Amino acid sequence: EVQLLESGGGLVQPGGSLRLSCAASGFAFSNYAMSWVRQAPGKGLEWVSTIFISGGTTKYADSVKGRFSISRDNSKNTLYLQMNSLRAEDTAVYYCAKGPDSSAPTGFDPWGQGTLVTVSS
Amino acid sequence: EIVLTQSPATLSLSPGERATLSCRASQSASPYLAWYQQKPGQPPRLLIYDVSNRATGIPARFTGSGSGTDFTLTISSLEPEDFAVYYCQQRGNWPLTFGGGTKVEIK
Repeated sequence: EVQLLESGGGLVQPGGSLRLSCAASGFAFSNYAMSWVRQAPGKGLEWVSTIFISGGTTKYADSVKGRFSISRDNSKNTLYLQMNSLRAEDTAVYYCAKGPDSSAPTGFDPWGQGTLVTVSS
Repeated sequence: EIVLTQSPATLSLSPGERATLSCRASQSASPYLAWYQQKPGQPPRLLIYDVSNRATGIPARFTGSGSGTDFTLTISSLEPEDFAVYYCQQRGNWPLTFGGGTKVEIK
């Protein structure tokens, strides 16, 4: 069974940093792109970042570019999101998701349960 | 950036009725359009990818269609477990974007 388990969320002050982790199991992690998607309380979904297979290519939403950094450790089947210079508007549940991929299924599938990040003084 | 606009924001229907959800893109999103279902307190679940392909385990009552800038998710006969929020998403252009969602609620 494919599983994604996020950790590392919590309460942080504005301007602070946090590192999220996503432990993957049940599939060949190193063969797939991986992404982070967030959801502010009561709001819709916002794509944050994607990292491709080797980790050499990454993509970011403009809202986090220059502040967040996505990485992966294929030897540990783990995805990371380093978040710096956090703002109140970064408060959200952060989901780890497999994909997107060029082969079926091409969407984000599956998703982890999410980890809550709260930025507040 | 491709902006996805979903309508209606809320759809009030009874079990057994047909649901038709719309997703309009600001530029062509074919064929890279997906649909997700999200229930309260749960992560989203992939329903449809590449406009019309059902993900593994998704019942046949869910159908995706459309092309270019206009896409539709149809639920042929609502089951109690289908009342949820639905999002469309495109992967054809960076940044990847989601629509604002349609809530399907019990009438």
